[in-house]
Amino acid sequence: GESVGLHLPTLSVQEGDNSIINCAYSNSASDYFIWYKQESGKGPQFIIDIRSNMDKRQGQRVTVLLNKTVKHLSLQIAATQPGDSAVYFCAERNTGNQFYFGTGTSLTVIP
Amino acid sequence: DAGVIQSPRHEVTEMGQEVTLRCKPISGHNSLFWYRQTMMRGLELLIYFNNNVPIDDSGMPEDRFSAKMPNASFSTLKIQPSEPRDSAVYFCASREGTSLHFGNGTRLTVT
Repeated sequence: GESVGLHLPTLSVQEGDNSIINCAYSNSASDYFIWYKQESGKGPQFIIDIRSNMDKRQGQRVTVLLNKTVKHLSLQIAATQPGDSAVYFCAERNTGNQFYFGTGTSLTVIP
Repeated sequence: DAGVIQSPRHEVTEMGQEVTLRCKPISGHNSLFWYRQTMMRGLELLIYFNNNVPIDDSGMPEDRFSAKMPNASFSTLKIQPSEPRDSAVYFCASREGTSLHFGNGTRLTVT
């Protein structure tokens, strides 16, 4: 029979534009969040993190925003490049010190 | 720093056979995690160790799955007997402090 899999949210952006990837997390007690990038054939790689006592953190070309009221996390990538094409995951750390991952968003950068 | 090292990169086996996946965490990291990634369920936490001691194995799907960490530099995930539905990419990750560092995974195919 036909297999049903996760339908990853997808985002296509033009090279040079800004990208915004969103994530909803589940546990209001989670105190730490990370964004990961996963390229084909590789493991997830750390991009940026944020603690629950912050609402914004900036890195090089990336910014993470945290809205605890609605349990929402976003990753903004400035001036998106072809090398940014990948699947992006958010992860939350719960009170048991374990990390749980979202389903991911597939980003495609159009040259 | 060589990062988290997993072996083999690919494993193809027949149903009923025993499979052993191996992981060498980053030196000095005191926590180790095993994750499974499938299209159906995304990234799932199977088990994690702290200072070589299993802390939470509630994610291990069945008794056919077992994991060991005999020392700080080595861990195994064993499936015996393997079944086709075990086909997935298995990731090992290690941590010291906050963020997780992933290996490049073992792609397991059970026919």
